[in-house]
Amino acid sequence: NAGVTQTPKFQVLKTGQSMTLQCAQDMNHEYMSWYRQDPGMGLRLIHYSVGAGITDQGEVPNGYNVSRSTTEDFPLRLLSAAPSQTSVYFCASGRNVAGLNTGELFFGEGSRLTVL
Amino acid sequence: GQQVMQIPQYQHVQEGEDFTTYCNSSTTLSNIQWYKQRPGGHPVFLIQLVKSGEVKKQKRLTFQFGEAKKNSSLHITATQTTDVGTYFCAGPAGYSTLTFGKGTMLLVSP
Repeated sequence: NAGVTQTPKFQVLKTGQSMTLQCAQDMNHEYMSWYRQDPGMGLRLIHYSVGAGITDQGEVPNGYNVSRSTTEDFPLRLLSAAPSQTSVYFCASGRNVAGLNTGELFFGEGSRLTVL
Repeated sequence: GQQVMQIPQYQHVQEGEDFTTYCNSSTTLSNIQWYKQRPGGHPVFLIQLVKSGEVKKQKRLTFQFGEAKKNSSLHITATQTTDVGTYFCAGPAGYSTLTFGKGTMLLVSP
């Protein structure tokens, strides 16, 4: 059982470059989300989705785009990378019934991004 | 928005000592979750508390949810080196999402 799969695990970008972090889950979870983790800042929510075709902004959405065309996939796009986006990114999924969070989140192994 | 505050930010103990981390919210929480993240790893769900005053145990770990459902604690009895990591609490933010505390990093010296 793969769970939540993130790719790539590591990436180095130059300022202004674009890239997409991929996230896929095989648990048929309605809810998917992206967090970034920076030292001393905990996990901060970037964007989330409660189902295919539905996305919403979290606490720190600026500079990031998402889409949810299928239940399984929730890619995170950086359109023009900035050094402030250097971070570890985690994708997480969970069950979500009628828009209401119902329990634990399952996290991917993370994507470590460095923007020079 | 909804915030959960977690203290301490960091704690260093000797193996065998006890450890406690606290989580506080300014508003009532419908539930609270706890996660553990090993160094270099990803957060892993430990437990969810739902009821006022609830106490749950997992081996040496004891989780409590306050009577007013505004605070929670995680207590580890007789720490071991395998307990090393960062412990996060998380509470609902709106209907659909979770907001995480900044975590307590636990270091255990043998």
